[in-house]
Amino acid sequence: SAVISQKPSRDICQRGTSLTIQCQVDSQVTMMFWYRQQPGQSLTLIATANQGSEATYESGFVIDKFPISRPNLTFSTLTVSNMSPEDSSIYLCSVVGGRAGVYNEQFFGPGTRLTVL
Amino acid sequence: RKEVEQDPGPFNVPEGATVAFNCTYSNSASQSFFWYRQDCRKEPKLLMSVYSSGNEDGRFTAQLNRASQYISLLIRDSKLSDSATYLCAVVLSGGYNKLIFGAGTRLAVHP
Repeated sequence: SAVISQKPSRDICQRGTSLTIQCQVDSQVTMMFWYRQQPGQSLTLIATANQGSEATYESGFVIDKFPISRPNLTFSTLTVSNMSPEDSSIYLCSVVGGRAGVYNEQFFGPGTRLTVL
Repeated sequence: RKEVEQDPGPFNVPEGATVAFNCTYSNSASQSFFWYRQDCRKEPKLLMSVYSSGNEDGRFTAQLNRASQYISLLIRDSKLSDSATYLCAVVLSGGYNKLIFGAGTRLAVHP
């Protein structure tokens, strides 16, 4: 499976500020995904990021709050804008794996643990 | 009704026990099914894809029942290291790889 890294691994931020999270993959991938995992909860998809097109956001998530960039096939960023304590979560990127004949398997980066004060 | 439902547990079992988790999904158009393992403060790691014919990987067996819309995970001969949260996930047909996760089932294996 692809090796995925995220920066930063964790951060503590003040409300009203913004944080940009980076996701780097060691191979070219078409689709990248951004998820959020709030404390004690499961994962919720924020958006799908394809290179060369606008990200597709899930219900409840908007571009103004979570702008995404996908400049090439190995990199993406997610910005959490105008943060509030409710944005305290783990943010994870994922990619679809490349096992021949196996579809839809996703692999996750190590996550960014965000605390908003 | 949630799209993917799991018993949150925790399941507390002794080493060597056999434990089974079920996961139900509401959309009959779901096309792909997975079990992930998540350790505390770590990212989910893919444990198994679940195929229509069922599949086995060592002590782990996954089954799919499309008629009743559930998937299962069986762990035999539980080890202390199996303690984790097990998440099931499904992909809808035409869902562009969008994974929908259950809330997870906590497993605690004790000596």
